[in-house]
Formats: sequence, structure tokens, C-alpha cells
Amino acid sequence: DAMVIQNPRYQVTQFGKPVTLSCSQTLNHNVMYWYQQKSSQAPKLLFHYYDKDFNNEADTPDNFQSRRPNTSFCFLDIRSPGLGDAAMYLCATSDRGVRYEQYFGPGTRLTVT
Amino acid sequence: GIQVEQSPPDLILQEGANSTLRCNFSDSVNNLQWFHQNPWGQLINLFYIPSGTKQNGRLSATTVATERYSLLYISSSQTTDSGVYFCAVGDTGNQFYFGTGTSLTVIP
Repeated sequence: DAMVIQNPRYQVTQFGKPVTLSCSQTLNHNVMYWYQQKSSQAPKLLFHYYDKDFNNEADTPDNFQSRRPNTSFCFLDIRSPGLGDAAMYLCATSDRGVRYEQYFGPGTRLTVT
Repeated sequence: GIQVEQSPPDLILQEGANSTLRCNFSDSVNNLQWFHQNPWGQLINLFYIPSGTKQNGRLSATTVATERYSLLYISSSQTTDSGVYFCAVGDTGNQFYFGTGTSLTVIP
């Protein structure tokens, strides 16, 4: 089945220790998104790629970076995680030009100790 | 960006009851989706419904784009319907805007 996969599902990192979260998709969609969701809040868009074009939200901290080496994969790098970065990180895809429906992966729950 | 408001914020139902969740948005959209976030945090697509009416089993949704609102109907609710329901809208770009969600608890 075509899907969005995120690894790992749970990640524990130490304060200040860089961490990378992974997202892959078999849908061949041209847009990939990273969202941050904290407890009892709505998902908050961090950035998205339309093909190789990177679009950063204005209020996304510089501590968050992303890479998309090919259509299938997208990575979220947190360079120096703080306690406030503990959250669920959600990856989504959509196919611009067909219809704009988003498909989400299962998420990675990040804990910062 | 587009403002999205959902109501009610919290809802408690007895199993078997029906409910209506509402999503209001502040501008024209070309995409509207309803999601159910399960207890493990995954967002499950319920409907892609920028306009019109759709039904899927006990769930149905209606979007009146000209009046900038959408409704999600849940009939004969079950305990497995518990969770948070989000409405998300998109404009002509790649941006999506989420509402604040409705937290639904269905009690046996």
C-alpha cells in the first residue's frame, strides 16, 4: 500500500544533542511537509518542500533544518534540541496539481532529557 | 493566513448518540479535510471535501464553501470514535491551516 513512513516512532535525545527524524513516502507526491504538534494543540507547520523548493515558515526557529535528497525522502534535523522541542513531529505529503489532499505519517514522538 | 475555528472545543457523548462538529474559515479555500487523531497521535484522513457532501459509513460531511463552513456528522457514536477531530483548509498555494480541534469522548 502506498503510504507515508516515519522513523523512528519514538526518539529520546539529550538536551543539546543533534537529532534527525526521517520521513519516506511511496505516493510519489511532490510536496512534503513537517509539522510540530505539542500536547493539546493543533499541528504547526514548520516547513515544506515543493519538489526541491524549500519553504520555511517565518516563525520556525533556526534550530530546525530540513533536507530532501530525493522525491521519496525528507529529513528533519534539530541541531540543538531544547526541552521545549519535545513534541510529536508529523510528516505529510500532498500532490500539488492533482488535488491538495494531505496524507500523514504516524509521527515521531520526541523526548528531550 | 486563513483563520480556522472549530466548535465545540470539547464534547462528551453517550455511546449511540449523534453529534455535529463545525469548522468555520475566514477566506476562500480550495482544499478542506477532516482528520481524526487517534490516541497514538496519527492523523487519519476522514474526508477530503472542499465543497459538497460526502458520506462514509456512520460519518458524513458537508462543506458550504460560499458561506465558509464545514460540518462533520457522527451518527451512532462508538467508543472508538473518541479522539480529537481536526479540520484543515488549504489555499491556492501549498499552505494548510489547522483548526484548534474538537476533543470527543464517547462513554459506554
